[in-house]
Amino acid sequence: GQQVMQIPQYQHVQEGEDFTTYCNSSTTLSNIQWYKQRPGGHPVFLIQLVKSGEVKKQKRLTFQFGEAKKNSSLHITATQTTDVGTYFCAGDGTSYGKLTFGQGTILTVHP
Amino acid sequence: DAGITQSPRYKITETGRQVTLMCHQTWSHSYMFWYRQDLGHGLRLIYYSAAADITDKGEVPDGYVVSRSKTENFPLTLESATRSQTSVYFCASSELAGVGQYFGPGTRLLVL
Repeated sequence: GQQVMQIPQYQHVQEGEDFTTYCNSSTTLSNIQWYKQRPGGHPVFLIQLVKSGEVKKQKRLTFQFGEAKKNSSLHITATQTTDVGTYFCAGDGTSYGKLTFGQGTILTVHP
Repeated sequence: DAGITQSPRYKITETGRQVTLMCHQTWSHSYMFWYRQDLGHGLRLIYYSAAADITDKGEVPDGYVVSRSKTENFPLTLESATRSQTSVYFCASSELAGVGQYFGPGTRLLVL
């Protein structure tokens, strides 16, 4: 079945440093979605990427979808303490909404 | 605007008992999903539903039963709970297939 690998598992940064998490799928995806989960909370939808090579920005967050639609990345510029949480990528191989989640990257930001 | 709610938020039960987790959404979204979240496994899809009376298995369906008689409700039943089903369960919904999903607050289930 489809597998989605996400690295790194943990990332500790000083406030103001940049952060990147990477996601790789074993199969070509219809789309990829990114979610953020704060400690003790529930996943919150951030963005969806659909097109090959797509790049989207949300303020300090930049999302990329690879040309082969098998990998993706999330980059945060100048992290803030409010960025703390776990970032998940989720691949949709069928476009039916059956998501396969990566294991997530736990981001800690030290003030 | 209630959005998507889950009940109970916390549940302790014993091995072999039947447990039902409730999920209710007020958006009239067609698609609803059940996930479990465990350390080291991230979120895994248990079941999903494309509409009332239409359900299908996800990645880890064994030991679980779902129904969807009304668009707004999607209960998940553990027919005979096992310790391996101790987890955090999230319900989610989306308006269309293949778009971002909105998650409920979760139910923390402990099976003794």
